[in-house]
Amino acid sequence: GESVGLHLPTLSVQEGDNSIINCAYSNSASDYFIWYKQESGKGPQFIIDIRSNMDKRQGQRVTVLLNKTVKHLSLQIAATQPGDSAVYFCAELGTGANSKLTFGKGITLSVRP
Amino acid sequence: NAGVMQNPRHLVRRRGQEARLRCSPMKGHSHVYWYRQLPEEGLKFMVYLQKENIIDESGMPKERFSAEFPKEGPSILRIQQVVRGDSAAYFCASSATGLDQPQHFGDGTRLSIL
Repeated sequence: GESVGLHLPTLSVQEGDNSIINCAYSNSASDYFIWYKQESGKGPQFIIDIRSNMDKRQGQRVTVLLNKTVKHLSLQIAATQPGDSAVYFCAELGTGANSKLTFGKGITLSVRP
Repeated sequence: NAGVMQNPRHLVRRRGQEARLRCSPMKGHSHVYWYRQLPEEGLKFMVYLQKENIIDESGMPKERFSAEFPKEGPSILRIQQVVRGDSAAYFCASSATGLDQPQHFGDGTRLSIL
C-alpha cells in the first residue's frame, strides 16, 4: 500500500547548525508534497511545499529538495534555532479522484543550546 | 486574519455519549478536511468536505461517525456512542481551493473517553 515514512524518529542538533530531515515516499504518482511543523499541543503548521515538476524550493531559512528517482524528500533548516524544536511531518498528495494528503509518522527535532 | 478555529480544545465524554467537534475554516476557505491523530503518530485523513457536500469520506468509519459542512456555520464532526478507542486529537484543516493547495490546520480538539 501507499506509505510515507521518515528514516529516523529523532534528530538532535546544536543551535546554529543546519538540520536535514529526510522522508521517503512510496507512491510514485504523488505530485505534491508538503512539510509541516507541529509543536506540542498545537496543530500542524505549514512550512513549505513543492510540486513534482520541481526538485528544489527555498523559503526563509528552509529548503525542500525532491528526488523523484529515489522517491525522497528532505527539509533543510539553516542556522537551527531553539524555536525550531518540534515534530516535523512530510505529507504527500497523490493524483486521481480519490487522492488525499498522506502524512508520515513524524520526526522530532531537538535543538541543543 | 483568524486561522482555522476549532472548539472545544478539550472534550471529555463517557462511553456511549455523543461528541461534537466544531471547525470554522479560515476566511475565504470553502474546503474543509478532518484528520485524526493518535499519540506519536502522523495524521490520518478522515473526510473532505466542500460547502454542503461530502467530497471524500473514505477515511471515516462507516458507523458512528458523520461530518457536515452546512451553508452557514462551522463544519461539525459528530461521533455517536463513543468508545475508548475514539480517544485522540482531531484536527481540522481548510484550503482556499482543492487538494493541491496548502491545507492550514487548527489546533485540534483533544477527545478523551472515560
